[in-house]
Order: sequence, then C-alpha cells, then structure tokens
Amino acid sequence: DPKIIQKPKYLVAVTGSEKILICEQYLGHNAMYWYRQSAKKPLEFMFSYSYQKLMDNQTASSRFQPQSSKKNHLDLQITALKPDDSATYFCASSQDRTYEQYFGPGTRLTVL
Amino acid sequence: QQKVQQSPESLSVPEGGMASLNCTSSDRNFQYFWWYRQHSGEGPKALMSIFSDGDKKEGRFTAHLNKASLHVSLHIRDSQPSDSALYFCAASGPGGSNAKLTFGKGTKLSVKS
Repeated sequence: DPKIIQKPKYLVAVTGSEKILICEQYLGHNAMYWYRQSAKKPLEFMFSYSYQKLMDNQTASSRFQPQSSKKNHLDLQITALKPDDSATYFCASSQDRTYEQYFGPGTRLTVL
Repeated sequence: QQKVQQSPESLSVPEGGMASLNCTSSDRNFQYFWWYRQHSGEGPKALMSIFSDGDKKEGRFTAHLNKASLHVSLHIRDSQPSDSALYFCAASGPGGSNAKLTFGKGTKLSVKS
C-alpha cells in the first residue's frame, strides 16, 4: 500500500484559476514538505512543516499556500495559476526534520 | 550559480560495470549529503546519506565524502538494468535547517544489458 498519497496524479488548469494539490502520509511522520520539479529547474524545496506548523518557506510567491488540516495532511493551494507553474509537485515526509525524507509519487500540473 | 553541481549529466555503463557519479557543493553551510534515485514516473527515493569524511558502503553502493573540498561521489558496482534512473545529490545545512534539501540537476544513468 502506498504510504504517501498524492491526488490527483495529473492536473490540467487554465491560466488564472486555482487548484489544490492533496497530500496524505501514513508513515506516522511529524514533518512534511513540498518540492517542485520542472524541466527548467532541479527539484526545488518549497515548504516544510513540523507538527502542523510552518517552519520554512522558500517560495517567493504568496500564490502558493500550504494547508495542514490534520497531522498527516499537507495540501498545497495555488491561486492565479500561470503557465510557469507547470511542474510536478512532490510531497515528502520525515520522522522529524533531521531524518530521511520520503517522497510521494507527485502531482503533474499543466497550466494552459 | 547552482549550489549543488552534479557530473556527468548522463552516463551509460554495461550491465555488471561500475558507475561513478560526482557532486560538488559551493556552499560551506552544507554539512549533510544525500543520494536520491528517481525512476521514471516516480518520486525520488533516498539511497543513502553521508555526513562524515570517508567512505560509506551499503550493498552495491558506496558513497565518499570529502568535506574539505565539499565533494561527494557515489559508486555503484555490478550495475543492473534496474539501476537505470535519474540520480540526485542533495545537501542540507546544520541543525533544523537540514530539512531544506538542495538538489543538484541529476545524473541520468543508463545500464545496458
């Protein structure tokens, strides 16, 4: 059974719209993260959460908002979508902030 | 400038051969290094971590770290077709900041049978 679930697997959106990417982990981890991978850039750290609190934010744009409704959930809301936001978004988790990070299968977002 | 640089960009080795991947960091704040592997269509998966100078061996994989030069390498012996994937070097800083992994662009490894 998959331990980190990301939904949906593929997502197509129009410029200017808003989407929410879902992430749930069943590893019992206390820290969760979001990364982005595009053709232009390597895997890029976006956010980290620990015990449902934002610890690090390396995303310049406020259009990206993580949301943690439960300890094992970390969703990513993206507003006013742009074609440059097209990428695969990976959720990851770790026991705490000093341990190995486990990545989910990703959500591939295409903005037209 | 990319803070974590990997070479080569791509590498092809015969089945059973040795694959050697390199990674250099330009940021002396980085103290922890990881190797991740990503198969097509999947998320990255950690292979191993190395935090101390010297070698660390796990099965067919050996990582080497030289903190003075901030150079880390990964050697895969007896390469298998299933090792064909994208390999990333990732680095992080001390304490709580080691949660923020900085990745290199990756090395694409092809193992030919």
